[in-house]
Amino acid sequence: DTGVSQDPRHKITKRGQNVTFRCDPISEHNRLYWYRQTLGQGPEFLTYFQNEAQLEKSRLLSDRFSAERPKGSFSTLEIQRTEQGDSAMYLCASSFLVGLANFNEQFFGPGTRLTVL
Amino acid sequence: AQTVTQSQPEMSVQEAETVTLSCTYDTSENNYYLFWYKQPPSRQMILVIRQEAYKQQNATENRFSVNFQKAAKSFSLKISDSQLGDTAMYFCAFMTSYQLTFGKGTKLSVIP
Repeated sequence: DTGVSQDPRHKITKRGQNVTFRCDPISEHNRLYWYRQTLGQGPEFLTYFQNEAQLEKSRLLSDRFSAERPKGSFSTLEIQRTEQGDSAMYLCASSFLVGLANFNEQFFGPGTRLTVL
Repeated sequence: AQTVTQSQPEMSVQEAETVTLSCTYDTSENNYYLFWYKQPPSRQMILVIRQEAYKQQNATENRFSVNFQKAAKSFSLKISDSQLGDTAMYFCAFMTSYQLTFGKGTKLSVIP
């Protein structure tokens, strides 16, 4: 396993279209996170899963956004009716939480760059 | 809410020299972790160094070290013997349980 992978790496779409991104975490990682990074900013948390359960969603995740992680493996992030303000890099990260440990390092994927025209 | 501030949008350093990147944060939590991440151009983010808030000793990883001042809520990164491969965006980040909160980043250029 070579790390977190994301597909596609780049996506150009027209306003109003739906897009879906995929993230494949590192094998055996039970936590998966989605972040959004706009130009000149640091990544901002969107949501995270522990196994297949979505445990937290940011206020940034409007009702046009939906994320899934069926079977606790890969995850998809769908954006419906895209807007120009959705243009950003969407980053996925995964980690392995052991027991009651407070810390688990997040490993990031290369991101999907979305451009909405 | 936690906030992370990086006051230096861009910095440059001569190869083999030392540079320090600044970071301050604000939180009411007592148990947390602090990180420095590196994001090279068109490449994925990688963890450079981390610091547990309950540890007084500053973390060190090879050429990278931090100056953690808990009372001042300051967490700076020192890069010694800078190399061309250190050219990247550097993000300071804060974590309590699951969510990373990032600063806006500092663009570091290492000049040959």
